[in-house]
Amino acid sequence: SQKIEQNSEALNIQEGKTATLTCNYTNYSPAYLQWYRQDPGRGPVFLLLIRENEKEKRKERLKVTFDTTLKQSLFHITASQPADSATYLCALDFPYGNNRLAFGKGNQVVVIP
Amino acid sequence: GAGVSQSPRYKVAKRGQDVALRCDPISGHVSLFWYQQALGQGPEFLTYFQNEAQLDKSGLPSDRFFAERPEGSVSTLKIQRTQQEDSAVYLCASSLPPSTGGFGYTFGSGTRLTVV
Repeated sequence: SQKIEQNSEALNIQEGKTATLTCNYTNYSPAYLQWYRQDPGRGPVFLLLIRENEKEKRKERLKVTFDTTLKQSLFHITASQPADSATYLCALDFPYGNNRLAFGKGNQVVVIP
Repeated sequence: GAGVSQSPRYKVAKRGQDVALRCDPISGHVSLFWYQQALGQGPEFLTYFQNEAQLDKSGLPSDRFFAERPEGSVSTLKIQRTQQEDSAVYLCASSLPPSTGGFGYTFGSGTRLTVV
């Protein structure tokens, strides 16, 4: 069955450094992959979508890469700030159709001032 | 409205009680999804609507769970005879229908259900 893996350990990073998160998946080739941010007590907020034919996508201080051979996406936050502290979820369109997404467990980032 | 609105924000139910959770999606978003999120986990799919049609309900964990969207806008997720394992955050999301590769969801803040 399809599986999405994100690091369960929180990433503690010094302010100003680049935070890098990994999302690995198995048993499927998604048409696109998405990243969301979730703060405690809130719903996830959509950040970026990258399609299977795109290698890299950027939005402000965020960068996402998508390697369909490795079945992996990397999510980078450059010049990290304490306000970037949150849980980041990756999501894939596993073969369900209907625009349905399957989510990873999320990876917490803590930016230390 | 500007975002997806869910109510109530918190619900405490006694075991065996029926509950109804409401979702008001973004106006014009024809796709609506319900997800269940346990503590420390990612959201798990429950069901999907396109307008008023429930196109996928394969994620509903049992026949105690029922969802509807009778007029293609507001949706209600109903859980009958609640059990402790139903305790979770229930998230509603809406999106534009897919075209060339999918769109991001807009989520509500969720309803935290605690069954005691």
